[in-house]
Amino acid sequence: GENVEQHPSTLSVQEGDSAVIKCTYSDSASNYFPWYKQELGKGPQLIIDIRSNVGEKKDQRIAVTLNKTAKHFSLHITETQPEDSAVYFCAATSGGYQKVTFGTGTKLQVIP
Amino acid sequence: EAGVAQSPRYKIIEKRQSVAFWCNPISGHATLYWYQQILGQGPKLLIQFQNNGVVDDSQLPKDRFSAERLKGVDSTLKIQPAKLEDSAVYLCASSHRNTEAFFGQGTRLTVV
Repeated sequence: GENVEQHPSTLSVQEGDSAVIKCTYSDSASNYFPWYKQELGKGPQLIIDIRSNVGEKKDQRIAVTLNKTAKHFSLHITETQPEDSAVYFCAATSGGYQKVTFGTGTKLQVIP
Repeated sequence: EAGVAQSPRYKIIEKRQSVAFWCNPISGHATLYWYQQILGQGPKLLIQFQNNGVVDDSQLPKDRFSAERLKGVDSTLKIQPAKLEDSAVYLCASSHRNTEAFFGQGTRLTVV
């Protein structure tokens, strides 16, 4: 089955700096890669996603890149703000029924 | 649109007792997922339904966990008997035709 690895597990940045979280996946058939933000006591919420036919996608301060050959994808957050502090999960989706496999999470702390 | 509803939000039981969680997905979403999220880890898929049929339950501990989705809408997840290691947040999610999964707030289970 699919295996998703995520690094780093924790990340502290100064407000205004950029943050980068990296993930690798094992199943070359995976075709959809969502990123979720989880705040304390809440369920994960989608912040951006990318499909396998696209190399990069940007939404305001958030961008995701995908390298299908190397089977890795990354989340980039620019101009970080304290409200960006949360746990971020990458995920890979594969199979006819779109099974979603999550990474282990990155706890991002933005220091004011 | 209304989100994924889960109940209860919190549950404390003694080991060897039974417990049930309820999920009402977003209207029209054919796919329903149950995830187990242990503190500090990413969500782990327990079972995935497509309408009222199971498409993946490979990581469901079937000796103690069971789930059903009657009529292809609401779903219940049951644990009987519970063990200490079942303490976790149980997340329900739903999706529509290969799009993002929307998560509920989860049920935090503590087994003592």
